[in-house]
Amino acid sequence: NAGVTQTPKFQVLKTGQSMTLQCAQDMNHEYMSWYRQDPGMGLRLIHYSVGAGITDQGEVPNGYNVSRSTTEDFPLRLLSAAPSQTSVYFCASTRAGTGYGYTFGSGTRLTVV
Amino acid sequence: AQTVTQSQPEMSVQEAETVTLSCTYDTSESDYYLFWYKQPPSRQMILVIRQEAYKQQNATENRFSVNFQKAAKSFSLKISDSQLGDAAMYFCAYRSGGAQKLVFGQGTRLTINP
Repeated sequence: NAGVTQTPKFQVLKTGQSMTLQCAQDMNHEYMSWYRQDPGMGLRLIHYSVGAGITDQGEVPNGYNVSRSTTEDFPLRLLSAAPSQTSVYFCASTRAGTGYGYTFGSGTRLTVV
Repeated sequence: AQTVTQSQPEMSVQEAETVTLSCTYDTSESDYYLFWYKQPPSRQMILVIRQEAYKQQNATENRFSVNFQKAAKSFSLKISDSQLGDAAMYFCAYRSGGAQKLVFGQGTRLTINP
């Protein structure tokens, strides 16, 4: 069982470049989310999805775009990278319904120079 | 909006001792779930323990247990017989009943001294 797979694990971008962080899960989870982790701030929600074709904004959505064309995949797009987007990014998924914990990917460390 | 606060940025404990990590949260809801996640240096987020708000009994998972005080909105994690492998960042998280989003605290870095 692969769980939640994120690629790449590390990435360096120049300011203004765009890129897509990939996320795939093989557990048939309905809910998927993207978080960013910054020192002293915990994890903050960027975007989330409750099913294929349905996405919504989280706490810090600016500069990011998502789509969910299949249950398995939930890519995160950085439209024009900025140094403020230097962070560790996590994708997570869970079953629909109440109270289940999330399964997280191994994270992507992104540096924007 | 719900908030989660972990007031201890860092904690340390001697190996084999017991340590308690604090977490408080703010909500007006009655149906919710609370979690503790462990993040070792590998960066992987690992679910340690889960508590349903409607259950009065404190959750326990082997050496990990919680002290859930609903009226005080407190959710502390107790680690007994601390081991070197327990060294990690620990995050407290809140999820509304039926809602999709997790709200995290700032984290507590736990060091285990041999």
